Amino acid sequence: KAGVTQTPRYLIKTRGQQVTLSCSPISGHRSVSWYQQTPGQGLQFLFEYFSETQRNKGNFPGRFSGRQFSNSRSEMNVSTLELGDSALYLCASSLTGLHNQRGEQFFGPGTRLTVL
Amino acid sequence: EDKVVQSPLSLVVHEGDTVTLNCSYEVTNFRSLLWYKQEKKAPTFLFMLTSSGIEKKSGRLSSILDKKELFSILNITATQTGDSAIYLCAVGMGAGGTSYGKLTFGQGTILTVHP
Repeated sequence: KAGVTQTPRYLIKTRGQQVTLSCSPISGHRSVSWYQQTPGQGLQFLFEYFSETQRNKGNFPGRFSGRQFSNSRSEMNVSTLELGDSALYLCASSLTGLHNQRGEQFFGPGTRLTVL
Repeated sequence: EDKVVQSPLSLVVHEGDTVTLNCSYEVTNFRSLLWYKQEKKAPTFLFMLTSSGIEKKSGRLSSILDKKELFSILNITATQTGDSAIYLCAVGMGAGGTSYGKLTFGQGTILTVHP
């Protein structure tokens, strides 16, 4: 079974631009969560989508948004990029979330975003 | 505020040593505790713990959860250089359908195993 895939793997943008990252979950997984990882803050939760609906949201500004499609693929968008948005953005998928024994999340390889 | 704290933050050992990594948490609506290993790429899943006192084991790695004292430990016996990585502890919360896909992570423990 193919794992979680993320595209692109690397991205360089300048301040003020916007960016869209894509995540394809493991086949059959319906929950997709997004995380930001930085050396200073570690791994921080951005949001989770399940069946095309945002089910939970972390403490990030409104410049960070996402969506999920009917095939469970998800995109996240960051508008008006700031230098502090430079990070590794990880997507994780799970069958239905964490409410049962099979709810463990599997991470994709991440997208490394650099904002200049 | 939900909090997950790992200790130590870094650890240097020699091959063959046994290590114990700690994770304590203060969260609302605890659902599960997960351990991940992260090398130079995305975290890879190790264990998910939901019940107190039941040890989960995979080869040289084992983990246990204490829901009364709000902590978990990850043990690695007979360490190898390939165990060098960041070990992340994360807590999943959920009640009434919310927070299911959200994990709150600790800072991680950087483990270095020397030959």
